[in-house]
Amino acid sequence: DAGVIQSPRHEVTEMGQEVTLRCKPISGHNSLFWYRQTMMRGLELLIYFNNNVPIDDSGMPEDRFSAKMPNASFSTLKIQPSEPRDSAVYFCASSFGGNNGYTFGSGTRLTVV
Amino acid sequence: AQKVTQAQTEISVVEKEDVTLDCVYETRDTTYYLFWYKQPPSGELVFLIRRNSFDEQNEISGRYSWNFQKSTSSFNFTITASQVVDSAVYFCALQKAPMDSNYQLIWGAGTKLIIKP
Repeated sequence: DAGVIQSPRHEVTEMGQEVTLRCKPISGHNSLFWYRQTMMRGLELLIYFNNNVPIDDSGMPEDRFSAKMPNASFSTLKIQPSEPRDSAVYFCASSFGGNNGYTFGSGTRLTVV
Repeated sequence: AQKVTQAQTEISVVEKEDVTLDCVYETRDTTYYLFWYKQPPSGELVFLIRRNSFDEQNEISGRYSWNFQKSTSSFNFTITASQVVDSAVYFCALQKAPMDSNYQLIWGAGTKLIIKP
């Protein structure tokens, strides 16, 4: 298995632009998580899905952030409009059954200038 | 409330020394799961171990060992004969038994481990 695949690995964008981060979970995994990691706040859970349904999006910072999971093999995290404070590493993780540990993707390093 | 505390922000040891990373958790649940993850300088997060609350046996995997003690709510991680490649940030995490599809992990702040050659 190729693991959790995230794209792009790096993204540099100008303030105000729309950013879309993509994630392909491990085949067969039914839970998907989006995390953000910064030096100041550490690992923050933004949203997670179970069987493609959003379960808890209370970690999404504000309305500028949105996430979708149209099918079991794909999810997106969109920021519109982006701001410099959104600069962080965004991780996607997937799990089967939820309590077997997550498998993380390599992350997307987002820089908003 | 659930909480995970990794009191050691940073640890620095010389290669071949043994080192223990502390993890103390708080939960009122009787069924829960504990995890350790490693984040090397390259940035990815790597799953190391999962332990459920009913299994207090210590776990050993090569140079890594884990000591789970419910009496002190601790799940400590020891690296024996440390190597430079062990340098990373290590996270401890807690998960309650999933209910209503709630699979969230509660993360500790992480311990940065530096192994000097």
